[in-house]
Formats: sequence, C-alpha cells, structure tokens
Amino acid sequence: AQTVTQSQPEMSVQEAETVTLSCTYDTSESDYYLFWYKQPPSRQMILVIRQEAYKQQNATENRFSVNFQKAAKSFSLKISDSQLGDAAMYFCAYRSADGATNKLIFGTGTLLAVQP
Amino acid sequence: DSGVTQTPKHLITATGQRVTLRCSPRSGDLSVYWYQQSLDQGLQFLIQYYNGEERAKGNILERFSAQQFPDLHSELNLSSLELGDSALYFCASSVGAGTNTEAFFGQGTRLTVV
Repeated sequence: AQTVTQSQPEMSVQEAETVTLSCTYDTSESDYYLFWYKQPPSRQMILVIRQEAYKQQNATENRFSVNFQKAAKSFSLKISDSQLGDAAMYFCAYRSADGATNKLIFGTGTLLAVQP
Repeated sequence: DSGVTQTPKHLITATGQRVTLRCSPRSGDLSVYWYQQSLDQGLQFLIQYYNGEERAKGNILERFSAQQFPDLHSELNLSSLELGDSALYFCASSVGAGTNTEAFFGQGTRLTVV
C-alpha cells in the first residue's frame, strides 16, 4: 500500500521570503501522480500543483514549484515570495496511475503560518 | 467555487442517530468521491462512484453507506453515529474514473456528533 509522510506539522515564514515544505512517499508503482493541496481556513481543498512521475521536469505554477526526486521518493513544495494569503494547511497527496481509480492518498499536512 | 456542491454545510446530531450528506458534482463529471477529514485519522478516502456504480472502496465503516443516483448526485449515509464520527466530510468529483483527470472538492460538511 502507498503511504505519504509529511514530517513538518508546522512551518513559519516571513512575508516575501521562501519556504519549503517536505513530503516523502512510499510506493512500488512506477507511474503515479503527486499533488500539493492547500486548505485555507475556509476548509476548501485547492489544488496547488501536480507532478507526473514519468516527467523528469519539476512542475511550476507561478510562485509555487516542486522538487521531485523519484529515486528518493521525495516531493517538496517551494513557495517563493510568500504572501499572507499563503497561510493554510498544505497536504501532499499521491494518486496511482493504474487507471483503476482516481482516489487520493494524503499526508497528515503541514500548517504554514506567514508572518507580516 | 469548484462547482461541487455539498449540503448541509454544518450538521449537529446525537449519538445513535442517522444522517445523510448530499453532494452534487460539477456539471459533466461522472465520478464522485467521499473523503473524511478528522483529527485522529487525517484525510481518508472512503468510497468512489462512477456513473452510478461503486468503483473503489477505502476505509469506510460498515455503518456508512453511499450511493450515486441517475442524475449523478451522491449521498453518504452515516448511521448509529458515534462521537468519533465527528469530522469534515468532503465530496469531490471528476470527469472520469481512472483516467488522467483532476478531482475538484466541495467545501465539505462539518458533522458534529454530541
């Protein structure tokens, strides 16, 4: 079974600075997808970024980028130029690409605080 | 707004009772997923339906059941409720079932069992 681990329960960053959130996962599959979701106080789950395992290039979405290390089974999220609106719980998630289901397996989350 | 609608937003009920949570997927989406977010268990996949049929099952208790109707909306039924069932229940939807499609989440139903 696949597992996702987020070892940082809480992180803090100064506004305009850069922060990196860590995620490791365990799987025996060779093809899969990895995601970072943001959950602000509104509770809405918002997709931040996704990475296909077969792509070597790291995904980037504006100020958000990932460092995907497939051999190490590591998938960290870097937030550049942090803004107050980035304060939220961030979840790393795994999805198999076997075609059977789109279910997501989530980590326990990292609560990010942004200091003005 | 993700386009996924969940009702009610909040629900308070007593132990032993039964409740029904409702989810309307985005227009055109055939798959519906249910997730439970609790302090103890984190975010867990419960069950998936695709075009009315059960597609995948996760850590769903026997006291819980779900279905997807011909109009594609879905209901999650929780019975014999216990204090530990208090959680945020999310519904998500996607176009396909096992294809490369994104799932969009609703805003969740906050269930409190007292």
